[in-house]
Amino acid sequence: KQEVTQIPAALSVPEGENLVLNCSFTDSAIYNLQWFRQDPGKGLTSLLLIQSSQREQTSGRLNASLDKSSGRSTLYIAASQPGDSATYLCAPMDSNYQLIWGAGTKLIIKP
Amino acid sequence: DTGVSQNPRHKITKRGQNVTFRCDPISEHNRLYWYRQTLGQGPEFLTYFQNEAQLEKSRLLSDRFSAERPKGSFSTLEIQRTEQGDSAMYLCASSLHSENNEQFFGPGTRLTVL
Repeated sequence: KQEVTQIPAALSVPEGENLVLNCSFTDSAIYNLQWFRQDPGKGLTSLLLIQSSQREQTSGRLNASLDKSSGRSTLYIAASQPGDSATYLCAPMDSNYQLIWGAGTKLIIKP
Repeated sequence: DTGVSQNPRHKITKRGQNVTFRCDPISEHNRLYWYRQTLGQGPEFLTYFQNEAQLEKSRLLSDRFSAERPKGSFSTLEIQRTEQGDSAMYLCASSLHSENNEQFFGPGTRLTVL
């Protein structure tokens, strides 16, 4: 059974810092992996999708990497801003096209 | 079409009542998913449809829960005889079954059972 762990569970940093959120998963047989953002009481916004054959994807200040063989993905946020404050969730997709979820990293960017 | 929509956004009900939620997916998407999320946790998969066919149901989905997608477009999730433990955010997502299957989520329906 696939298990997803996100470390740290919470992170508070000053504005302007570059930061890395970590995601690990136990079964490397994944179809793809998505990173999502969730604001309090809201739905999920898809940030990046990495296909299993890819190593990384970039969107603006966000860069996600994938090392499928070691069961790891990272989300790099450059030049953090207060508006980046949210919970970030990692979700690998298994061979049945189902997303398996971590509990998320709650990020606070202090002005 | 601007994305996945869900109605209502909030629902407060008394224990024992039935509730029904609606999800309208992105129009060309053939897959539709329902998830449940409690505070501080990631979403839990409940069920999904490909077109009008319900292909999988989680064992979390008790007999009190039923979902339909009668014409392969919108979907409804009904909870009968609600319990306080049903209080959660119910999320709907849709995707196009293609080479990447990226899922897009609606804003969710927050259910509170008193």
